[in-house]
Amino acid sequence: QVQLVESGGGVVQPGRSLRLSCAASGFTFSSYGMHWVRQAPGKGLEWVAGVSYDGSNKYYADSVKGRFTISRDNSKNTLYLQVNSLRTEDTAVYYCAKAAGVQLFYYFDYWGQGTLVTVSS
Amino acid sequence: DIVLTQSPGTLSLSPGERATLSCRARQSVSSSYLAWYQQKPGQAPRLLIYGASSRATGTPVRFSGSGSGTDFTLTISRLEPEDFAVYYCQQYGSSRWTFGQGTKVEIK
Repeated sequence: QVQLVESGGGVVQPGRSLRLSCAASGFTFSSYGMHWVRQAPGKGLEWVAGVSYDGSNKYYADSVKGRFTISRDNSKNTLYLQVNSLRTEDTAVYYCAKAAGVQLFYYFDYWGQGTLVTVSS
Repeated sequence: DIVLTQSPGTLSLSPGERATLSCRARQSVSSSYLAWYQQKPGQAPRLLIYGASSRATGTPVRFSGSGSGTDFTLTISRLEPEDFAVYYCQQYGSSRWTFGQGTKVEIK
């Protein structure tokens, strides 16, 4: 069965960096687009970034462009999100989500359980 | 970005009642690339509907989606106790995936 397991969250000071990981199993990781979606405490869902199956195409929300970098290692079945210059408003649960097809313009058919990033001094 | 507005913000209903949730887009959603997700407290979102009206694997038949262009609806024909949750619509037809702000379906 499809499993997505995020890790790397924690408490970090404003301006610092983190790298989030999402370990995938149960499907051919290299055949699907992948995304990161976040949810601030008590708030709704916000799409953050997406990457195509082969890593050649990447897209970002305006709120994180230039600070966050999405990448993937298909040999390790792992998705990453490098988050730099963190702000208090980046505090959220970060979910990785699998696109339902090889390209990115698909709905998200599986989600991980999320990893919490808290930005606080 | 395609802005999605969901209404109402909260829907207070009793088990067995019908729920009608609305999602309106500020501009047309191409090819009905509109999905609905359910989220319960402390859990990740779960895909219910894609392509505006196709049920995902495991979605009960009491859930149905309809609409096109800028107006979409999620209907739950008869609410079961496990259906009380927050529901989000999402468009995936552009390179800026966006979600609505959510509709909470609560027990009256």
